[in-house]
Amino acid sequence: AQSVAQPEDQVNVAEGNPLTVKCTYSVSGNPYLFWYVQYPNRGLQFLLKYITGDNLVKGSYGFEAEFNKSQTSFHLKKPSALVSDSALYFCAVKSRANNLFFGTGTRLTVIP
Amino acid sequence: EAGVAQSPRYKIIEKRQSVAFWCNPISGHATLYWYQQILGQGPKLLIQFQNNGVVDDSQLPKDRFSAERLKGVDSTLKIQPAKLEDSAVYLCASSLAAGNTGELFFGEGSRLTVL
Repeated sequence: AQSVAQPEDQVNVAEGNPLTVKCTYSVSGNPYLFWYVQYPNRGLQFLLKYITGDNLVKGSYGFEAEFNKSQTSFHLKKPSALVSDSALYFCAVKSRANNLFFGTGTRLTVIP
Repeated sequence: EAGVAQSPRYKIIEKRQSVAFWCNPISGHATLYWYQQILGQGPKLLIQFQNNGVVDDSQLPKDRFSAERLKGVDSTLKIQPAKLEDSAVYLCASSLAAGNTGELFFGEGSRLTVL
């Protein structure tokens, strides 16, 4: 069975500093990994995905994620955080049935 | 391109009452999903349709939840009778096809409060 874990419920970072939101996964076979963001009272918005190829994936709004097979991790990163990045972030893995299994989410707060 | 449309956005009912949510996916998207997101948790899949057939409904509480996707386009999710623990946001999503590696596109959700 596949699963993802987001070890941090909350991440706080100062505006302009780099940010990292952590995700680890457990799957059999090749992982298809995704990051989504959720703003208050809104649905989930796709940020980026890893299917195969380059371990550094670039996505929307300046976000990127690094796939690390040996550490089974897929951490979300951004070089310089903005206050508008404050939101709830979800890591997800695609199941054999091709639906998404989500982590519990990490609330990112960027402090001005 | 229009996104995934859901209605109503908000619904308040008393326990044991019934409620229905509607979803219109992105045009041309063969696969439709209903997720339940309880406050403080990640979304959990309730049911997945491929066209008008069910692919996965293993986590749907079938004694009270039902869903249909007539004609392979719009979908309706019904809860009858509702329980307090059904209070959640119900998210509809669609994707081009179940077999691809593409992302899911989500609607804004329908927030249910059961009193």
